[in-house]
Amino acid sequence: AQSVTQLGSHVSVSEGALVLLRCNYSSSVPPYLFWYVQYPNQGLQLLLKYTTGATLVKGINGFEAEFKKSETSFHLTKPSAHMSDAAEYFCAVSLSGGYQKVTFGTGTKLQVIP
Amino acid sequence: DTEVTQTPKHLVMGMTNKKSLKCEQHMGHRAMYWYKQKAKKPPELMFVYSYEKLSINESVPSRFSPECPNSSLLNLHLHALQPEDSALYLCASSQSQGNQPQHFGDGTRLSIL
Repeated sequence: AQSVTQLGSHVSVSEGALVLLRCNYSSSVPPYLFWYVQYPNQGLQLLLKYTTGATLVKGINGFEAEFKKSETSFHLTKPSAHMSDAAEYFCAVSLSGGYQKVTFGTGTKLQVIP
Repeated sequence: DTEVTQTPKHLVMGMTNKKSLKCEQHMGHRAMYWYKQKAKKPPELMFVYSYEKLSINESVPSRFSPECPNSSLLNLHLHALQPEDSALYLCASSQSQGNQPQHFGDGTRLSIL
């Protein structure tokens, strides 16, 4: 079984400030981890993924995440928030297989204050 | 531009109507998915097709009927829907390996009158 917990359904940051969105996972086997972003009236767009190898993963739009097995965490960060970063962010976990059964977290809405 | 195309973007239908949602991808992905997303909630998996065969049905009511005519197309046939079925319906596709991400369309916003 697998699960994802996102701490904080709403996060507000000032423009130019650090963005930190928290994600903890539970999995009985090494998981694959993803962060997706969803803008209003759009589908989900992949920001970054962790499968194996380097634990610090860089994604699009200046985002990165670090896989910490000991903490079962995969937090998303960005050094400097832009207004365009305001969106809903979903952490997701999947296990290996011929197709994915992805479990999504409940989402974090990021607000960027000018 | 998304690589997964969904039509229509918006659909309003009565409870007695029959309609279909369509999804198309040309990335050579062999797994395709239907999700339902209510406002302020994460996507909920409905169906998974792998190599054009239905692999997962998450106990979805029979008023939703999926179809995968070929490896590029995925349909969702709707009949006798209820107001609570109003939601954003998302299609996604992926390579068949679990470490490959899903690619999402922009969805169909469905409203049931």
